[in-house]
Amino acid sequence: GIQVEQSPPDLILQEGANSTLRCNFSDSVNNLQWFHQNPWGQLINLFYIPSGTKQNGRLSATTVATERYSLLYISSSQTTDSGVYFCAVNYGGSQGNLIFGKGTKLSVKP
Amino acid sequence: SQTIHQWPATLVQPVGSPLSLECTVEGTSNPNLYWYRQAAGRGLQLLFYSVGIGQISSEVPQNLSASRPQDRQFILSSKKLLLSDSGFYLCALRRGGRETQYFGPGTRLLVL
Repeated sequence: GIQVEQSPPDLILQEGANSTLRCNFSDSVNNLQWFHQNPWGQLINLFYIPSGTKQNGRLSATTVATERYSLLYISSSQTTDSGVYFCAVNYGGSQGNLIFGKGTKLSVKP
Repeated sequence: SQTIHQWPATLVQPVGSPLSLECTVEGTSNPNLYWYRQAAGRGLQLLFYSVGIGQISSEVPQNLSASRPQDRQFILSSKKLLLSDSGFYLCALRRGGRETQYFGPGTRLLVL
């Protein structure tokens, strides 16, 4: 089956720093989502981005489907950005089942 | 917009006991519904999905089962819990014709 790899696995930043999180996938996909899991476990949708670039405030994402990777950019990080960031893909089928990467754990220090 | 409720929020159960976790959704009709488990560590694993009432597909063989008795209700069950069933259980939905999945607040299960 399709493999989803995220890097780095852990990231520690000082407040105000910028960061780039990467998601590689091993096959063509028709759906890619980025999620943020906060310290209470809630998974929050960040982007639905099977291709192209999107921006939402300090966050932006780019997916290059032909090269099978996606990037999540966090600018001017804040302590509330801490948590685990997941990339998830759906590679086919009408059911929409998602395959998740193992996540990047981000800790933003004040 | 849709809302996903999960009950209970936290559960501690002895090995061998039964389990019933409930997921109910509001604000949408005939959604695809999903159960995921997040074990210690980070990865989420799809357990079951349902495209309609009474329609359940299993992704991973195990001692868990799922049922969808109503359009907006999805239940995860077990007759006898194992220690390895401990984890964080998340219910998710996808509205028809759309690709984005949305997740509920989750249930933390600890089997002792």
